[in-house]
Amino acid sequence: DVKVTQSSRYLVKRTGEKVFLECVQDMDHENMFWYRQDPGLGLRLIYFSYDVKMKEKGDIPEGYSVSREKKERFSLILESASTNQTSMYLCASSSPRGTVQETQYFGPGTRLLVL
Amino acid sequence: QKEVEQDPGPLSVPEGAIVSLNCTYSNSAFQYFMWYRQYSRKGPELLMYTYSSGNKEDGRFTAQVDKSSKYISLFIRDSQPSDSATYLCAMGRGNYKLTFGKGTLLTVNP
Repeated sequence: DVKVTQSSRYLVKRTGEKVFLECVQDMDHENMFWYRQDPGLGLRLIYFSYDVKMKEKGDIPEGYSVSREKKERFSLILESASTNQTSMYLCASSSPRGTVQETQYFGPGTRLLVL
Repeated sequence: QKEVEQDPGPLSVPEGAIVSLNCTYSNSAFQYFMWYRQYSRKGPELLMYTYSSGNKEDGRFTAQVDKSSKYISLFIRDSQPSDSATYLCAMGRGNYKLTFGKGTLLTVNP
């Protein structure tokens, strides 16, 4: 079974703080993704990575950066947290080598509250 | 026109009912079609995957794709209270990224 884990289930941070969200997958997947999910807006892609040290902007990258130093780990960084970044953050991974290359597997999510 | 449209519901049915969830899409480049189930405050979990027109069955769940009409459906037979969740359709076109519907909230009442 694919397992995607996220470092925290719930986080409370103050405006202006630097926030790190970590994601780890144990299936040797090539691709990893960061989304945020908000009521009425659905899932929106922030960044994705198709290889170590490679990254591409998604639909809403502003205010975020990412790091992928190892294949299994993908970090999302909020350089200076703002209240409009309060959201549910979801990490996902997928592999291009399998027969279901488009299928993404999600972590449990991190609920971030920025005060 | 949005690439993927999904009725947000909410949809409320009695236990044992047949549930039909639907998505339409506008981009004919989509080749892969998925349904995810998301329980409250949890991450989405993959339910069904298909890449061709027609039906695919897995237990009480049937995924249907009609590429000519750009329409996909998920049917749930003999629905159970444990099926209460948000159901997300997702579509891919071979560039690793998925486009998601906004989800339909389903409640199955005992």
